[in-house]
Amino acid sequence: DTGVSQDPRHKITKRGQNVTFRCDPISEHNRLYWYRQTLGQGPEFLTYFQNEAQLEKSRLLSDRFSAERPKGSFSTLEIQRTEQGDSAMYLCASSLGSGTLGDTQYFGPGTRLTVL
Amino acid sequence: AQSVAQPEDQVNVAEGNPLTVKCTYSVSGNPYLFWYVQYPNRGLQFLLKYITGDNLVKGSYGFEAEFNKSQTSFHLKKPSALVSDSALYFCAVRGPYNNDMRFGAGTRLTVKP
Repeated sequence: DTGVSQDPRHKITKRGQNVTFRCDPISEHNRLYWYRQTLGQGPEFLTYFQNEAQLEKSRLLSDRFSAERPKGSFSTLEIQRTEQGDSAMYLCASSLGSGTLGDTQYFGPGTRLTVL
Repeated sequence: AQSVAQPEDQVNVAEGNPLTVKCTYSVSGNPYLFWYVQYPNRGLQFLLKYITGDNLVKGSYGFEAEFNKSQTSFHLKKPSALVSDSALYFCAVRGPYNNDMRFGAGTRLTVKP
């Protein structure tokens, strides 16, 4: 069973640059989530897709952030004009999406972003 | 708004002793409650969840949790701790009408031999 994968695992960039992360969910999972985790904190919800539709965006997701899931499979998260405050671990999760919102989310290993 | 509180930043127990990691929540409607564990340099791993039914939920690696609606709690327990249980534990809640899941700040469990 292939789990959730994320690429790259680490990204170091300079302030002002754009970065893009990729998430490949577990196959047949139609729900996909992005979270951000900073040191000493739990993950914070960023956005949620049901198939290719982005159904919810957190207020944390400023205009510099955009996420897509064009074919309902993999997803990308882009951060434009990065700031030092964007430095964090970006986590992706997927769930089967059958029935209630109580289905289990399975997390990828994360992409650690460092903005210099 | 939904929220989770993990009142202890750190829990220390001796190997072989029972452990409890505390979690309380606030949500509108019936909650969906989850526990995840995070080992260093690894992603979150699912341990167990409560959706409905029996208040005592059993999960991976011998962990269990008890849902207490009157106390709005979902404490994680294990009868006999192992050194390998040392990790960061997160409680999370999702309401029946919420697309987002809220996590607590985490509790670092250290099991000493």
